[in-house]
Amino acid sequence: GAVVSQHPSWVICKSGTSVKIECRSLDFQATTMFWYRQFPKQSLMLMATSNEGSKATYEQGVEKDKFLINHASLTLSTLTVTSAHPEDSSFYICSVVGPRDEQYFGPGTRLTVT
Amino acid sequence: AQSVTQPDIHITVSEGASLELRCNYSYGATPYLFWYVQSPGQGLQLLLKYFSGDTLVQGIKGFEAEFKRSQSSFNLRKPSVHWSDAAEYFCAVGAPGGSQGNLIFGKGTKLSVKP
Repeated sequence: GAVVSQHPSWVICKSGTSVKIECRSLDFQATTMFWYRQFPKQSLMLMATSNEGSKATYEQGVEKDKFLINHASLTLSTLTVTSAHPEDSSFYICSVVGPRDEQYFGPGTRLTVT
Repeated sequence: AQSVTQPDIHITVSEGASLELRCNYSYGATPYLFWYVQSPGQGLQLLLKYFSGDTLVQGIKGFEAEFKRSQSSFNLRKPSVHWSDAAEYFCAVGAPGGSQGNLIFGKGTKLSVKP
């Protein structure tokens, strides 16, 4: 069964609005979660590392004020895309680091900004 | 710069035929190496990984991969492809000894299977 869930699986929003994506670890507590972004026909690009109880660590070039990450509990991390623009349209994937340091990926959330 | 190259964007094979997906990497040292499969609506699933030791690695679903240091390659193989293998395949590298979380991915190879 699924180890990681994401909600919603697909969302459409208007330019200028904000949208929140949830990532849940279903089988174990996760102190670390990762957020990736995947453009069509491109590889996954790590956006940020989400640490429970502390601030997220963002990769170079990722705007922390635009992509707000909150890791409020050991089973939930959220990514909020603020003031969304059409260029933010992408596939967002989270992953969870398991107890043996292995990585489990969520099914992804497709964001379309109109 | 660290990078992963998957030269083939799309491959089509007949069901029952053998398969090889190519992966080359550029890394300062021998990295940890991974192959993932992504099916529509599903999260990436780990097929196999190489950390050290035997350079031929067996994975799930009948897949194997061979690490060749001299060629900086980690090609994925399967002797007989099934229709259910149609999916997108990603090669990834990670820092040796580090967390498996921070990975560098290739752009993926889409596999189509002809009946």
